[in-house]
Amino acid sequence: GNSVTQMEGPVTLSEEAFLTINCTYTATGYPSLFWYVQYPGEGLQLLLKATKADDKGSNKGFEATYRKETTSFHLEKGSVQVSDSAVYFCALISQAGTALIFGKGTTLSVSS
Amino acid sequence: GAVVSQHPSRVICKSGTSVKIECRSLDFQATTMFWYRQFPKQSLMLMATSNEGSKATYEQGVEKDKFLINHASLTLSTLTVTSAHPEDSSFYICSVREGVSEQYFGPGTRLTVT
Repeated sequence: GNSVTQMEGPVTLSEEAFLTINCTYTATGYPSLFWYVQYPGEGLQLLLKATKADDKGSNKGFEATYRKETTSFHLEKGSVQVSDSAVYFCALISQAGTALIFGKGTTLSVSS
Repeated sequence: GAVVSQHPSRVICKSGTSVKIECRSLDFQATTMFWYRQFPKQSLMLMATSNEGSKATYEQGVEKDKFLINHASLTLSTLTVTSAHPEDSSFYICSVREGVSEQYFGPGTRLTVT
């Protein structure tokens, strides 16, 4: 079946550090891939997405590239800020599906 | 994207009672809404897909008689937890599907059953 695996957290970084959160997936066909972010006390927000192989999603300095050959969609940011502290979820929708399948989430904590 | 609200944001109820959670799409007519459950430090688990004007589709292992879903209009879906027990305590989140793959989430409802 379809599934998403994210690196275990929490991830603790200093401000301006480089961030990578790994995400790999298992799915048939060509799923659409997403990163969602959940700030403390708030609902999930779509951060970025990619719908086909080699697409790069980007938003607010975050980037992720859809790698079909490695079935990965790693999230990166060159310089994190304290305000980036949140839980990040990798997710997919399969070609045939309608509902999102989420990874377990990775908590990011950035200190000044 | 679509703006989604949930009410209430927090609810505490006694074991054996029923609780209704509302999910509203404020600026978009949603034919499809989703209900998720999130346990502490864990991922969101899809409970059911709510389709306007028809019965909800429940995921395997979700008791449809316990978690009643009604999607009576294009802007409102409700989840009723019947005869709630402490193990039903969780964070319940709804989402609205806009387009082929876009989903927008409500802020969630924290249910505590005592």
